Amino acid sequence: NAGVTQTPKFQVLKTGQSMTLQCAQDMNHEYMSWYRQDPGMGLRLIHYSVGAGITDQGEVPNGYNVSRSTTEDFPLRLLSAAPSQTSVYFCASSRSGLGSYEQYFGPGTRLTVT
Amino acid sequence: SQQGEEDPQALSIQEGENATMNCSYKTSINNLQWYRQNSGRGLVHLILIRSNEREKHSGRLRVTLDTSKKSSSLLITASRAADTASYFCAPLSGGYQKVTFGTGTKLQVIP
Repeated sequence: NAGVTQTPKFQVLKTGQSMTLQCAQDMNHEYMSWYRQDPGMGLRLIHYSVGAGITDQGEVPNGYNVSRSTTEDFPLRLLSAAPSQTSVYFCASSRSGLGSYEQYFGPGTRLTVT
Repeated sequence: SQQGEEDPQALSIQEGENATMNCSYKTSINNLQWYRQNSGRGLVHLILIRSNEREKHSGRLRVTLDTSKKSSSLLITASRAADTASYFCAPLSGGYQKVTFGTGTKLQVIP
């Protein structure tokens, strides 16, 4: 199993550009989520999904869109990038949305917005 | 959902010493999980303790849970330089829910 994969590893955007961060898992996990981590900070939840076709907002959803058309994929879209979105983005998945199982994290995407 | 609050924010110890970090939370839980993050990488699950358990061991890790005080502690015994990382707790109340994290405890183990 590849686990949780994220692409790209690094990205530089100009203010106002849009892009999609990709996340995929091959463990048939129902629960997937996106976090951002700013320097010296903890992880803040952006959006999460408890299954295909179901998404919901986390703590900091503004400026981001998600969709979940398949169990495997959970892309994160930045609609109009801003310098405040410079961060490291982590995708995670787990067996169930019940919170009883460990989460598996991807390696992260390092995004810089100039 | 609720966040755990880790304490201390930072901890520096010599290799071979024990490291203890704490997590407090506000409302009743079904289970609590501990994660480790090495610099710049994704979190890695360490251990899960359920609300009806008081103590759990995994290798050099020992986790305790006191539901009456709404707190948990993670003890790493005989620490190694490779244990240098940030440690996060995630208290979970069950049901479909958001999983959120606090700011963690940054542990430095000096060789």
